Amino acid sequence: AQSVTQPDIHITVSEGASLELRCNYSYGATPYLFWYVQSPGQGLQLLLKYFSGDTLVQGIKGFEAEFKRSQSSFNLRKPSVHWSDAAEYFCAVGGGATNKLIFGTGTLLAVQP
Amino acid sequence: DTEVTQTPKHLVMGMTNKKSLKCEQHMGHRAMYWYKQKAKKPPELMFVYSYEKLSINESVPSRFSPECPNSSLLNLHLHALQPEDSALYLCASSQEQTYEQYFGPGTRLTVT
Repeated sequence: AQSVTQPDIHITVSEGASLELRCNYSYGATPYLFWYVQSPGQGLQLLLKYFSGDTLVQGIKGFEAEFKRSQSSFNLRKPSVHWSDAAEYFCAVGGGATNKLIFGTGTLLAVQP
Repeated sequence: DTEVTQTPKHLVMGMTNKKSLKCEQHMGHRAMYWYKQKAKKPPELMFVYSYEKLSINESVPSRFSPECPNSSLLNLHLHALQPEDSALYLCASSQEQTYEQYFGPGTRLTVT
């Protein structure tokens, strides 16, 4: 069965520090992978996506993610975190004919001044 | 333009009321979605429309009734809801053959 695991429920980093949010997936075929960010009470904003090709993908707001097939991972990174990055981050996997996204449980990021 | 709009932003309704949530996109997307999101949880898929036809219903109770009047609009009709239906309702859209979904800001629904 398809699944997405985000092992970290809550992460706190200092402003200016680097960030890595973990995502592992279980999927039978080549997955389509996504990272979304959600500020409190808001909708989800697409940060980046991976469909095929270069395994290091660049997204908006200075985020990047690397697809590692051997580890079934798609971790999100940012070299220097800003206070405005505090939000909930969801990893998601899709594929097949149904257009359904499978979301991870999310990682809540807090940024300390 | 990657904007999906939703109205209203907030809605409070009694258990006997009938109300509707509206969603609109002008990106030429042919798939549209309704999700329900409870606090501190990921979105849960409710319905998928593809080319204006209902393609997925995730066993949603009949008190939720979706409608897709045209390729740009998606409605969710609500009737006889329960307090546990209080949640953030998100609309999304995507091109049919990709899975890049764009989300609206949501409607915060409270059932009293």
